[in-house]
Amino acid sequence: NAGVTQTPKFQVLKTGQSMTLQCAQDMNHEYMSWYRQDPGMGLRLIHYSVGAGITDQGEVPNGYNVSRSTTEDFPLRLLSAAPSQTSVYFCASSYLGRTYEQYFGPGTRLTVT
Amino acid sequence: TQLLEQSPQFLSIQEGENLTVYCNSSSVFSSLQWYRQEPGEGPVLLVTVVTGGEVKKLKRLTFQFGDARKDSSLHITAAQPGDTGLYLCAGARVNNNAGNMLTFGGGTRLMVKP
Repeated sequence: NAGVTQTPKFQVLKTGQSMTLQCAQDMNHEYMSWYRQDPGMGLRLIHYSVGAGITDQGEVPNGYNVSRSTTEDFPLRLLSAAPSQTSVYFCASSYLGRTYEQYFGPGTRLTVT
Repeated sequence: TQLLEQSPQFLSIQEGENLTVYCNSSSVFSSLQWYRQEPGEGPVLLVTVVTGGEVKKLKRLTFQFGDARKDSSLHITAAQPGDTGLYLCAGARVNNNAGNMLTFGGGTRLMVKP
């Protein structure tokens, strides 16, 4: 199993550009989520999904969109990039249940200039 | 203010020393997890604790869940340079909108010097 894969690994955007961060998992996990990690802030939840067709907002959803058309894929769209979105983005997946033990992808380092 | 407060934020110790990292909250969690993250990689799960008062051991690492399921600690005995990394606690709780949510603490950056 590949686990959780993310592309691209690195990305530089200009302010106002849009892009999609890709995430895929091959573990048949129902739950998928996107986090951003900034120095000293730990991981903050952006959006999450409990199954295909079902998404919900996390702690910091503004400026981001998600969709979940299949169990495997959970792309994150930046609508109009801003310097405040410079961060490392992690996708994670897990089974639904009491514990939600997360399997993380390797991350995408995004810089917005 | 974060829902889960970790302390200390930074810790630099010599090989062989013991240390404890704390994860505190005013909220009750259905479970609490500890992850370790190395530079350039995603966090990797170390342990999950579910029951109040639960203690789990993973070699030299001891994890404890508070009786009220609001706090947790990670104790490392005889730290080694390989323990260096960012340690994150995360609590699972019910989101009133839909399903459960996992909330992360700010992390403790540990450096163990040889």
